[in-house]
Amino acid sequence: GQNIDQPTEMTATEGAIVQINCTYQTSGFNGLFWYQQHAGEAPTFLSYNVLDGLEEKGRFSSFLSRSKGYSYLLLKELQMKDSASYLCAVMDSNYQLIWGAGTKLIIKP
Amino acid sequence: DGGITQSPKYLFRKEGQNVTLSCEQNLNHDAMYWYRQDPGQGLRLIYYSQIVNDFQKGDIAEGYSVSREKKESFPLTVTSAQKNPTAFYLCASSITLAGEGNEQFFGPGTRLTVL
Repeated sequence: GQNIDQPTEMTATEGAIVQINCTYQTSGFNGLFWYQQHAGEAPTFLSYNVLDGLEEKGRFSSFLSRSKGYSYLLLKELQMKDSASYLCAVMDSNYQLIWGAGTKLIIKP
Repeated sequence: DGGITQSPKYLFRKEGQNVTLSCEQNLNHDAMYWYRQDPGQGLRLIYYSQIVNDFQKGDIAEGYSVSREKKESFPLTVTSAQKNPTAFYLCASSITLAGEGNEQFFGPGTRLTVL
């Protein structure tokens, strides 16, 4: 079966750095997405990786290792507004997105 | 402003009633999707459509129906056959169905509660 694993919840301090991991087992691979979702709101796109390596976008970076079935989202200089759930999703061989359950990130002052 | 709208934001329904959730997009996207989100679970695909007058079942289509008569609109009907309909429903669209990097854009969601 297809499976996406991410930690359920993480806590970090304002101004610090946090890494959210995602491991996956899917039927084929056409890229990995990270989305941010504030409580009760729609997910919003953060990043996309299809090749191995690091993609940097401002305070957020995303890393992919296809051989290990592994990705992480790195958030730097954490702000209170970064408190949200972070969703990892893999596009399989049929171009369908397989979603993880999300990681709830709590930022403390 | 381009985007996706869903209405209503909150919806209450009595058991045994059908209800239709609206989804409209003005992004000129060909592909549209309906997901269900439950606590502690990933988004689950209900139906998707890659072009007007065509749609396909997702992983959990039982008890739901859709139509795609216009490119902009993809309404979802939750029928009385859906055993556990209380959930947060998200509509999304993308430029096309297939293709690397095709991010999906989401509407604000409809929270359906069955009383």
